[in-house]
Amino acid sequence: AQSVTQPDIHITVSEGASLELRCNYSYGATPYLFWYVQSPGQGLQLLLKYFSGDTLVQGIKGFEAEFKRSQSSFNLRKPSVHWSDAAEYFCAVGANTGTASKLTFGTGTRLQVTL
Amino acid sequence: DAGVIQSPRHEVTEMGQEVTLRCKPISGHDYLFWYRQTMMRGLELLIYFNNNVPIDDSGMPEDRFSAKMPNASFSTLKIQPSEPRDSAVYFCASSEREGRYEQYFGPGTRLTVT
Repeated sequence: AQSVTQPDIHITVSEGASLELRCNYSYGATPYLFWYVQSPGQGLQLLLKYFSGDTLVQGIKGFEAEFKRSQSSFNLRKPSVHWSDAAEYFCAVGANTGTASKLTFGTGTRLQVTL
Repeated sequence: DAGVIQSPRHEVTEMGQEVTLRCKPISGHDYLFWYRQTMMRGLELLIYFNNNVPIDDSGMPEDRFSAKMPNASFSTLKIQPSEPRDSAVYFCASSEREGRYEQYFGPGTRLTVT
């Protein structure tokens, strides 16, 4: 069974600083990987996803993530954080078996942005 | 498209009462998912449907929980009888197809059982 670890529960960065949120997964083959963002009182919104090919993927709102098979990681990055990026971020892994649709979510990282 | 619609947005009920949560997926989406989010357990998949048929309900906590999808545009998650430990935010999500396709989440229903 797949699993996801987000080791940082809470991160605080200053506006304009760079950001990296960590995600490690466990899965026997190349997984489908996702980053979602959840603003307070809202549902989850997809930031970006990785299926295959280029290991550096670009998403919305200026976010990117890099798949590193050797480290079983899919870290989320942003070069310059905006105050509106304050939210909770979830990494998720899905089984790459064609018809499988179950996603396993990490416990989330809450991002606080100071002005 | 209006996105995934859930109702009610908030529900407060007393222990022992029946609770029904509702979801309207995005038109044309073949998959519908029900999740529960709590501080202790994070985001958990309860059940998902493909073309109105339940595919995997292994995440449903116990027999008090049931879910149905009578047609492509409507699903319900029912808890009977409800207990305080069922208090959580329940999300519905839909996706166009399987696996690598994005799941679109609704705004959630915050359930409080007193």
